[in-house]
Amino acid sequence: AQSVTQLDSQVPVFEEAPVELRCNYSSSVSVYLFWYVQYPNQGLQLLLKYLSGSTLVKGINGFEAEFNKSQTSFHLRKPSVHISDTAEYFCAVRRNRDDKIIFGKGTRLHILP
Amino acid sequence: DTGVSQDPRHKITKRGQNVTFRCDPISEHNRLYWYRQTLGQGPEFLTYFQNEAQLEKSRLLSDRFSAERPKGSFSTLEIQRTEQGDSAMYLCASSTGLASEQYFGPGTRLTVT
Repeated sequence: AQSVTQLDSQVPVFEEAPVELRCNYSSSVSVYLFWYVQYPNQGLQLLLKYLSGSTLVKGINGFEAEFNKSQTSFHLRKPSVHISDTAEYFCAVRRNRDDKIIFGKGTRLHILP
Repeated sequence: DTGVSQDPRHKITKRGQNVTFRCDPISEHNRLYWYRQTLGQGPEFLTYFQNEAQLEKSRLLSDRFSAERPKGSFSTLEIQRTEQGDSAMYLCASSTGLASEQYFGPGTRLTVT
Protein backbone atom coordinates (compact mmCIF):
# COMPACT_ATOMS: atom_id res chain seq x y z
CA ALA A 1 0.00 0.00 0.00
CA GLN A 2 1.11 3.54 -0.62
CA SER A 3 1.78 6.07 2.10
CA VAL A 4 2.97 9.65 2.29
CA THR A 5 5.01 11.26 5.05
CA GLN A 6 5.30 15.00 5.36
CA LEU A 7 8.17 15.52 7.72
CA ASP A 8 7.18 18.94 9.06
CA SER A 9 3.74 19.82 10.39
CA GLN A 10 4.56 23.54 10.39
CA VAL A 11 7.22 25.59 8.64
CA PRO A 12 7.79 29.25 9.55
CA VAL A 13 9.72 31.31 7.02
CA PHE A 14 10.36 35.00 6.51
CA GLU A 15 8.80 36.75 3.55
CA GLU A 16 11.02 36.70 0.45
CA ALA A 17 13.10 33.84 1.88
CA PRO A 18 13.30 30.43 0.18
CA VAL A 19 11.33 27.47 1.49
CA GLU A 20 11.39 23.70 1.13
CA LEU A 21 8.52 21.46 2.25
CA ARG A 22 9.58 17.87 2.57
CA CYS A 23 7.69 14.80 1.42
CA ASN A 24 8.60 11.13 1.33
CA TYR A 25 6.45 8.36 -0.05
CA SER A 26 6.41 4.59 -0.02
CA SER A 27 5.00 2.39 -2.72
CA SER A 28 5.84 -0.94 -4.30
CA VAL A 29 4.48 0.16 -7.66
CA SER A 30 4.84 3.12 -9.96
CA VAL A 31 3.01 6.18 -8.75
CA TYR A 32 2.01 9.67 -9.68
CA LEU A 33 2.97 12.39 -7.21
CA PHE A 34 1.18 15.64 -6.43
CA TRP A 35 1.33 18.73 -4.29
CA TYR A 36 -1.94 20.45 -3.39
CA VAL A 37 -2.47 23.74 -1.57
CA GLN A 38 -5.41 24.54 0.69
CA TYR A 39 -6.05 28.16 1.59
CA PRO A 40 -8.16 28.88 4.68
CA ASN A 41 -11.77 27.79 4.28
CA GLN A 42 -11.22 26.64 0.73
CA GLY A 43 -10.92 23.36 -1.12
CA LEU A 44 -7.73 21.87 -2.50
CA GLN A 45 -5.95 23.30 -5.51
CA LEU A 46 -3.37 21.40 -7.51
CA LEU A 47 0.06 23.06 -7.40
CA LEU A 48 1.95 20.57 -9.52
CA LYS A 49 2.18 16.93 -10.47
CA TYR A 50 4.76 14.38 -11.51
CA LEU A 51 3.56 11.71 -13.91
CA SER A 52 6.74 10.76 -15.80
CA GLY A 53 9.63 12.35 -17.61
CA SER A 54 11.68 15.19 -16.19
CA THR A 55 12.19 14.85 -12.46
CA LEU A 56 11.98 18.62 -11.93
CA VAL A 57 8.39 19.73 -12.10
CA LYS A 58 7.28 23.34 -12.23
CA GLY A 59 3.90 24.37 -10.94
CA ILE A 60 1.80 27.41 -10.33
CA ASN A 61 2.67 30.40 -8.15
CA GLY A 62 6.42 29.87 -8.63
CA PHE A 63 6.58 26.48 -6.90
CA GLU A 64 8.59 23.53 -8.14
CA ALA A 65 9.27 20.01 -6.92
CA GLU A 66 11.89 17.39 -7.62
CA PHE A 67 11.13 13.69 -7.86
CA ASN A 68 13.93 11.56 -6.42
CA LYS A 69 13.23 7.88 -6.96
CA SER A 70 16.23 6.59 -5.03
CA GLN A 71 15.28 8.60 -1.96
CA THR A 72 11.51 8.22 -2.56
CA SER A 73 11.12 11.94 -2.07
CA PHE A 74 9.16 14.71 -3.73
CA HIS A 75 10.13 17.93 -1.95
CA LEU A 76 8.41 21.21 -2.78
CA ARG A 77 10.43 24.41 -3.13
CA LYS A 78 9.96 28.09 -3.78
CA PRO A 79 12.90 30.52 -4.06
CA SER A 80 11.07 33.49 -2.53
CA VAL A 81 7.81 33.26 -0.58
CA HIS A 82 5.10 35.87 -0.32
CA ILE A 83 2.57 36.47 2.42
CA SER A 84 -0.10 35.11 0.06
CA ASP A 85 1.60 31.69 0.21
CA THR A 86 0.28 31.23 3.73
CA ALA A 87 -1.68 27.98 3.47
CA GLU A 88 -1.56 24.27 4.14
CA TYR A 89 0.30 22.15 1.64
CA PHE A 90 -0.43 18.48 1.02
CA CYS A 91 1.78 15.97 -0.69
CA ALA A 92 -0.12 13.12 -2.31
CA VAL A 93 0.43 9.92 -4.25
CA ARG A 94 -1.67 7.86 -6.60
CA ARG A 95 -0.92 4.51 -8.19
CA ASN A 96 -0.77 4.93 -11.92
CA ARG A 97 -3.60 2.47 -12.42
CA ASP A 98 -5.65 3.62 -9.49
CA ASP A 99 -7.88 6.57 -8.97
CA LYS A 100 -7.93 7.39 -5.31
CA ILE A 101 -5.36 9.81 -3.99
CA ILE A 102 -3.48 9.16 -0.75
CA PHE A 103 -2.63 12.39 1.04
CA GLY A 104 -0.02 13.25 3.64
CA LYS A 105 -1.02 15.00 6.84
CA GLY A 106 -0.09 18.41 5.51
CA THR A 107 2.46 21.12 6.27
CA ARG A 108 1.26 24.52 7.41
CA LEU A 109 3.38 27.28 5.90
CA HIS A 110 3.64 30.42 8.07
CA ILE A 111 5.04 33.48 6.37
CA LEU A 112 6.67 35.88 8.83
CA PRO A 113 6.79 39.60 7.98
CA ASP B 1 -18.72 26.69 -15.38
CA THR B 2 -17.51 27.66 -11.95
CA GLY B 3 -16.11 24.37 -10.75
CA VAL B 4 -17.21 21.79 -8.23
CA SER B 5 -19.85 23.04 -5.81
CA GLN B 6 -20.94 21.61 -2.50
CA ASP B 7 -23.96 22.31 -0.36
CA PRO B 8 -24.23 23.15 2.45
CA ARG B 9 -20.85 24.69 3.28
CA HIS B 10 -21.43 24.21 7.00
CA LYS B 11 -23.69 21.88 8.93
CA ILE B 12 -24.17 21.62 12.67
CA THR B 13 -26.19 18.68 13.89
CA LYS B 14 -26.90 16.82 17.08
CA ARG B 15 -25.57 13.36 17.66
CA GLY B 16 -27.95 10.75 16.32
CA GLN B 17 -29.43 12.91 13.58
CA ASN B 18 -29.13 12.13 9.88
CA VAL B 19 -27.43 14.55 7.48
CA THR B 20 -27.13 14.71 3.72
CA PHE B 21 -24.60 16.62 1.65
CA ARG B 22 -24.74 17.40 -2.02
CA CYS B 23 -21.95 17.71 -4.58
CA ASP B 24 -22.32 19.09 -8.09
CA PRO B 25 -19.30 18.20 -10.22
CA ILE B 26 -17.94 20.08 -13.18
CA SER B 27 -20.28 19.35 -16.06
CA GLU B 28 -19.22 16.44 -18.26
CA HIS B 29 -16.90 15.09 -15.56
CA ASN B 30 -17.87 11.44 -15.35
CA ARG B 31 -15.87 10.63 -12.21
CA LEU B 32 -16.86 11.92 -8.79
CA TYR B 33 -15.01 11.36 -5.52
CA TRP B 34 -15.73 11.87 -1.84
CA TYR B 35 -12.98 12.47 0.72
CA ARG B 36 -13.09 13.24 4.44
CA GLN B 37 -10.64 15.55 6.17
CA THR B 38 -10.42 15.65 9.95
CA LEU B 39 -8.59 18.34 11.90
CA GLY B 40 -4.86 18.16 11.44
CA GLN B 41 -5.03 15.42 8.85
CA GLY B 42 -4.94 15.20 5.09
CA PRO B 43 -8.03 14.19 3.15
CA GLU B 44 -8.89 10.48 3.22
CA PHE B 45 -10.59 8.71 0.34
CA LEU B 46 -14.15 7.52 0.99
CA THR B 47 -15.64 6.47 -2.34
CA TYR B 48 -15.87 7.28 -6.02
CA PHE B 49 -18.29 6.98 -8.92
CA GLN B 50 -17.93 6.62 -12.63
CA ASN B 51 -21.17 8.01 -13.98
CA GLU B 52 -23.82 6.46 -11.72
CA ALA B 53 -21.79 3.37 -10.76
CA GLN B 54 -20.06 3.36 -7.38
CA LEU B 55 -16.75 1.67 -8.16
CA GLU B 56 -14.87 1.68 -4.88
CA LYS B 57 -15.62 2.24 -1.21
CA SER B 58 -13.09 2.73 1.55
CA ARG B 59 -13.28 0.77 4.77
CA LEU B 60 -13.75 4.21 6.36
CA LEU B 61 -17.23 4.21 4.86
CA SER B 62 -19.17 2.44 7.59
CA ASP B 63 -22.70 1.17 7.11
CA ARG B 64 -23.98 4.49 8.46
CA PHE B 65 -22.63 6.19 5.34
CA SER B 66 -24.23 5.95 1.93
CA ALA B 67 -23.42 7.76 -1.28
CA GLU B 68 -25.41 7.96 -4.47
CA ARG B 69 -25.11 9.46 -7.90
CA PRO B 70 -28.43 8.48 -9.41
CA LYS B 71 -28.23 10.14 -12.81
CA GLY B 72 -24.50 10.37 -13.15
CA SER B 73 -24.48 14.07 -12.41
CA PHE B 74 -24.73 15.35 -8.82
CA SER B 75 -24.01 13.10 -5.85
CA THR B 76 -25.28 12.92 -2.30
CA LEU B 77 -23.51 11.63 0.79
CA GLU B 78 -25.76 10.67 3.69
CA ILE B 79 -24.65 9.94 7.23
CA GLN B 80 -27.18 8.24 9.46
CA ARG B 81 -27.16 8.39 13.25
CA THR B 82 -24.27 10.85 13.32
CA GLU B 83 -21.56 10.49 15.94
CA GLN B 84 -19.11 13.08 17.24
CA GLY B 85 -16.35 11.29 15.39
CA ASP B 86 -18.07 12.16 12.12
CA SER B 87 -17.17 15.82 12.61
CA ALA B 88 -14.94 16.66 9.66
CA MET B 89 -14.71 18.45 6.35
CA TYR B 90 -16.27 16.40 3.55
CA LEU B 91 -14.66 17.13 0.21
CA CYS B 92 -15.96 16.29 -3.23
CA ALA B 93 -13.86 16.16 -6.38
CA SER B 94 -14.51 15.38 -10.02
CA SER B 95 -12.47 14.41 -13.04
CA THR B 96 -12.86 13.42 -16.67
CA GLY B 97 -11.51 9.90 -16.19
CA LEU B 98 -8.82 7.58 -14.91
CA ALA B 99 -5.55 9.36 -14.16
CA SER B 100 -7.05 12.77 -14.92
CA GLU B 101 -6.66 15.68 -12.54
CA GLN B 102 -9.22 15.79 -9.76
CA TYR B 103 -10.81 19.18 -9.14
CA PHE B 104 -11.94 19.75 -5.58
CA GLY B 105 -14.94 21.61 -4.25
CA PRO B 106 -14.84 23.91 -1.20
CA GLY B 107 -16.08 21.19 1.14
CA THR B 108 -18.87 20.80 3.67
CA ARG B 109 -17.81 21.23 7.27
CA LEU B 110 -19.84 18.99 9.59
CA THR B 111 -19.95 19.57 13.32
CA VAL B 112 -21.71 16.97 15.44
CA THR B 113 -22.57 18.19 18.94
